[in-house]
Amino acid sequence: QVQLQESGPGLVRPSQTLSLSCTVSGASVSSGGSYWSWIRQHPGKGLELIGYIYYDGSAYYTPSLKSRLNLSIHMSQNQFSLRLTSVTAADSAIYYCATHTVTPEPHALDIWGRGTMVTVSS
Amino acid sequence: QSMLTQPPSASGTPGQRVTISCSGSGSSIGSNTVSWYQHLPGTAPKLLIYANNRRPSGVPDRFSGSKSGTSASLAVSGLQSEDEADYYCASRDDSLNGLVLFGGGTRLTVL
Repeated sequence: QVQLQESGPGLVRPSQTLSLSCTVSGASVSSGGSYWSWIRQHPGKGLELIGYIYYDGSAYYTPSLKSRLNLSIHMSQNQFSLRLTSVTAADSAIYYCATHTVTPEPHALDIWGRGTMVTVSS
Repeated sequence: QSMLTQPPSASGTPGQRVTISCSGSGSSIGSNTVSWYQHLPGTAPKLLIYANNRRPSGVPDRFSGSKSGTSASLAVSGLQSEDEADYYCASRDDSLNGLVLFGGGTRLTVL
């Protein structure tokens, strides 16, 4: 079955760049029709889908983060990744990677990583 | 600010049927399908419903979804203590270039 695992630093300094990776097993990131998504949850708040990247490398970014966010696919490592620049405390959150197997819709995510907590602090 | 509106809380006693609503607009729920998620603290969200009323394999049929116009609902029948969790609806908004929206979440308490 498809499994996802996030990796990356738990602590990032303000104004620095947050880089997270999601390793995929049981599927290929280059599979036609697949969306690979990032979702975050601020402490005590709801879920926010911040972006997704299509199997061909085209990406969608939530408007509020578009200027700071970059998603990419790494086929040789079967990973997809997130880079968020100029982070502030407002970027402190649990970050999840996720994907779909039941239907090709980016809001129907049935496979999730366990999530990784990222704190932005000096 | 979420553009899918859910009540912040809902509650019921074991065995009861509880419904959670999700209100959107013509360009969101009115034009797209709705998904529902269950989120327990410390775990990853779980997809309960997709395409308005379809259940992924393994999701009990106690969970059901429906959509009418610009609103959707999740029903939980035969309420159990392990159903106590946060529930989120999700859809897309065509007026926002297909932005994926999550509702603000509803905390379901089993009394």
